Amino acid sequence: EAQVTQNPRYLITVTGKKLTVTCSQNMNHEYMSWYRQDPGLGLRQIYYSMNVEVTDKGDVPEGYKVSRKEKRNFPLILESPSPNQTSLYFCASSWYGSGDTQYFGPGTRLTVL
Amino acid sequence: QQQVKQSPQSLIVQKGGISIINCAYENTAFDYFPWYQQFPGKGPALLIAIRPDVSEKKEGRFTISFNKSAKQFSLHIMDSQPGDSATYFCAALGDNAGKSTFGDGTTLTVKP
Repeated sequence: EAQVTQNPRYLITVTGKKLTVTCSQNMNHEYMSWYRQDPGLGLRQIYYSMNVEVTDKGDVPEGYKVSRKEKRNFPLILESPSPNQTSLYFCASSWYGSGDTQYFGPGTRLTVL
Repeated sequence: QQQVKQSPQSLIVQKGGISIINCAYENTAFDYFPWYQQFPGKGPALLIAIRPDVSEKKEGRFTISFNKSAKQFSLHIMDSQPGDSATYFCAALGDNAGKSTFGDGTTLTVKP
């Protein structure tokens, strides 16, 4: 089944404790992206990757890191999480870019205390 | 500067009615305008999309109307059903192959 998977689905952590949210897609897509969803603010792009080893900032990259060492994986790293990073996070992928159909993962709900 | 403005924030419609959600954009370089549908607890999924070479696109009960001169586009849901209750996001894309700009979302509730 073609899909984007994220782990964990739910995470409660404390301020400053490094964490990684994994994202994997099995569709051989070139493009992957991370978003955060907050009430009233819609989907805001954090980082995106056009291909392996190619990443770039979205609209809200502060406090996040990403890497794209393999085509299928695009982990989101929070080196020192803060309460304002409490949010619902989505990973998405598409064949060639944002102007193509993006397939979203199921989401990761993160709470930073 | 918010590049895509979506309205209304929430919408309540009776079953069988027409739901209309509007979006306006600023950047004339955008050339792809999708609508995504998100059910509670799920990730967004593409519903319907349009490119600026046409003014309207229809897929079943869902229609996108596009006004290039006004830099506006809208989603019309005909014969709205309770199963259409979801959050809808518009997006305006194409000025940058990687950047994605979404609207703030509209929560649609269709009452039986």
